[in-house]
Amino acid sequence: QSALTQPPSASGSPGQSVTISCTGASSDIGYWKYVSWYQQHPGEAPKLLIYEVSKRPSGVPDRFSGSKSGNTASLTVSGLQAEDEADYYCNSYAGNNNLVFGGGTKLTVL
Amino acid sequence: QVQLQESGPGLLKPSETLSLNCTVSGGSTSSSQSYWGWIRQPPGKGLEWIATISHGGATYNNPSLRGRVTISSDTSRSQFSLKLSSVTAADTAVYYCAAQPQYFHFTYWGQGSLVTVSS
Repeated sequence: QSALTQPPSASGSPGQSVTISCTGASSDIGYWKYVSWYQQHPGEAPKLLIYEVSKRPSGVPDRFSGSKSGNTASLTVSGLQAEDEADYYCNSYAGNNNLVFGGGTKLTVL
Repeated sequence: QVQLQESGPGLLKPSETLSLNCTVSGGSTSSSQSYWGWIRQPPGKGLEWIATISHGGATYNNPSLRGRVTISSDTSRSQFSLKLSSVTAADTAVYYCAAQPQYFHFTYWGQGSLVTVSS
C-alpha cells in the first residue's frame, strides 16, 4: 500500500493555528475511522496525539484536534507554542490488517 | 503506565538476520486487550509499520516486507520479538516497539534501537 501524503513542512507564529493535512484513498482514510496522529521531537520516540480521527489520549492538550473529510484527515494545532515545533505523522488503517503512515510534516514555530 | 525497551545488536552485515527483543513493564503481553507492534524509521525519514502480534499470538505483517518478517512473543518473560531476514543497507533504521491497546494506533513506544546494516 502507498504511504499517506503529508506536506513536508508547515509553519506558524506563536499563538496562531496551523493545520496539517494527510491525504489517503477511499480504501484507507476515506473508509475507516482509524486515523491517528503522532508528534516526534528530534531524538525522541513518537508520541500519540490523536486516535480514531479526533480522540485525544489523557494528557494531550486540547490545543490539538483532529478531523476527517473524504480521503483527507487533518491535525490542527491551536495557540501554537514553541514546544510544538516537531515532526508530525499521520497513520491510518488500510484494511486487511494493514497500517500505513504518512511521510511526516516538519512544523516550525516562527 | 506501560513501558517498553528494545534490545539487540546494533550492527549487522548484509544478508544477516536482524533480531530485536522488546521487554514490557507495567503491562503484560498476554493481556486480553492488547496488541504489540514494531515500527521503524530510517535516518532522516518517516515511520513504517513492520508487524503486530496479538495477545493470543495472531500475527499481522506489512506486505511490503515480502515475507522477511517474523514476530513472536514470550508471555512468561513479558517480551515480544522481531526477526527480519536477508537485511540490506535499506533496512538501516531506528526500530521501535510499541503497545497497541487497540490494534489501530500505537499508544506507548519504546525509546528505539538503531540498527545499522553495513559490510
